[in-house]
Amino acid sequence: ETGVTQTPRHLVMGMTNKKSLKCEQHLGHNAMYWYKQSAKKPLELMFVYSLEERVENNSVPSRFSPECPNSSHLFLHLHTLQPEDSALYLCASSQDKTSPSYEQYFGPGTRLTVT
Amino acid sequence: GQNIDQPTEMTATEGAIVQINCTYQTSGFNGLFWYQQHAGEAPTFLSYNVLDGLEEKGRFSSFLSRSKGYSYLLLKELQMKDSASYLCAAVDSNYQLIWGAGTKLIIKP
Repeated sequence: ETGVTQTPRHLVMGMTNKKSLKCEQHLGHNAMYWYKQSAKKPLELMFVYSLEERVENNSVPSRFSPECPNSSHLFLHLHTLQPEDSALYLCASSQDKTSPSYEQYFGPGTRLTVT
Repeated sequence: GQNIDQPTEMTATEGAIVQINCTYQTSGFNGLFWYQQHAGEAPTFLSYNVLDGLEEKGRFSSFLSRSKGYSYLLLKELQMKDSASYLCAAVDSNYQLIWGAGTKLIIKP
């Protein structure tokens, strides 16, 4: 596998369910990101990890819980979600977070539907 | 506040040229990215500008004017596969990307 992979690609869950999204990067990068993408809205940065340490948490509700066990893997744990949380969740990685010119590499995303 | 503006949708003809504009207001500025995103796929990097001027990369060029808070992406010799959304993102003083909502480009034969 190359680049950034995400599983599952599609997820339908009820509001009382607990599920997890997984992201893996095979690029040797030190920074990883979770974004939420809703139709016709800008990408919303949710969490940033740099060298496995969470460095940003942009006022995300506690029903979203990230985990970064190592620099290659990132998880987003979901529980008691709301229908408005339905969106495309994108994972990205970059060489590190200290240089502005490092582009982010994105995974294909998980299309989440909350019923 | 921080803000990125770009048109919601544009239509162009195969073989033609199209310019997608982006204006930004950020706390500090450390460059501007353009990404391409085909429907149902991941965004992919197109360009990064930090200095004023035009940078050409094949059929795609990107321009930046820091004094005007303005950038554009120029696509030449349009092909049907260029139908996609084009995302503009400015880097603020904290090295965080501030994203626009994207411009959906429709190419007609």
